[in-house]
Amino acid sequence: GESVGLHLPTLSVQEGDNSIINCAYSNSASDYFIWYKQESGKGPQFIIDIRSNMDKRQGQRVTVLLNKTVKHLSLQIAATQPGDSAVYFCAETWTNEKLTFGTGTRLTIIP
Amino acid sequence: NAGVMQNPRHLVRRRGQEARLRCSPMKGHSHVYWYRQLPEEGLKFMVYLQKENIIDESGMPKERFSAEFPKEGPSILRIQQVVRGDSAAYFCASSPRRANYGYTFGSGTRLTVV
Repeated sequence: GESVGLHLPTLSVQEGDNSIINCAYSNSASDYFIWYKQESGKGPQFIIDIRSNMDKRQGQRVTVLLNKTVKHLSLQIAATQPGDSAVYFCAETWTNEKLTFGTGTRLTIIP
Repeated sequence: NAGVMQNPRHLVRRRGQEARLRCSPMKGHSHVYWYRQLPEEGLKFMVYLQKENIIDESGMPKERFSAEFPKEGPSILRIQQVVRGDSAAYFCASSPRRANYGYTFGSGTRLTVV
C-alpha cells in the first residue's frame, strides 16, 4: 500500500554544519509534499512544502528536493543551530484531503 | 491570530470512561483534521471534517470513536469506553481550504488511560 518512509531514524550533526534528512514515498500519484518539525511536547510545525511539478524549493536555511523518478524527498538544513534539534517528518498527499506522514527522523545538533 | 487551540493539553481517564477532546480552528478556517500520534511514531490520519460534515473518516476506528464539527463551536473528538491502547497524543489541524493549501497544527491533547 501507499507509505511514506524515512531512511534514517536518527541523525547527529555538528552545529554549523549542513544536515540532510531523507524520505522515500511509494505513491507516484502524490502531488504535494510537506516537511514538518516537531519539538518535544509540541505539535508539528510547517517548514516547507513542494508540489509535484517542482523539483526544488528554497526557504530560509532550508531546501526541499523532490525526485519523482525514484520517489525521493529530502530536506536540507544549512548552518544548523541548536534550535534545529527536533523530529522531522515528511508528509504527502494525493487526495487533497489528508496527509500521510512518515515515521520521522530525530535530528540532534551537537554543540 | 490565536492559532489552532486544543484543550485540554493533558487528559487522564480511567478505563471505561469517556474522553472528549476539543479543537478550535484558526479564524477563517473551516476544514479540520484529527491525527493520532503514538510515542516515537508519525502522525496517523483519523478524520477530516468541514462544518457540520464528515468528509473522510477512513482513519477512525469503527467503534467507540466519533467526531463532529458543529456550525458553532469547536470540533470534538469523542472516545467512549477508553482502553489503554487509546493513550496517545491527538493533534488537530485546520486549513482554509483543502489540504494542499497548508495545514496548521495545534499543540495536541495527550490522553493517558490508566
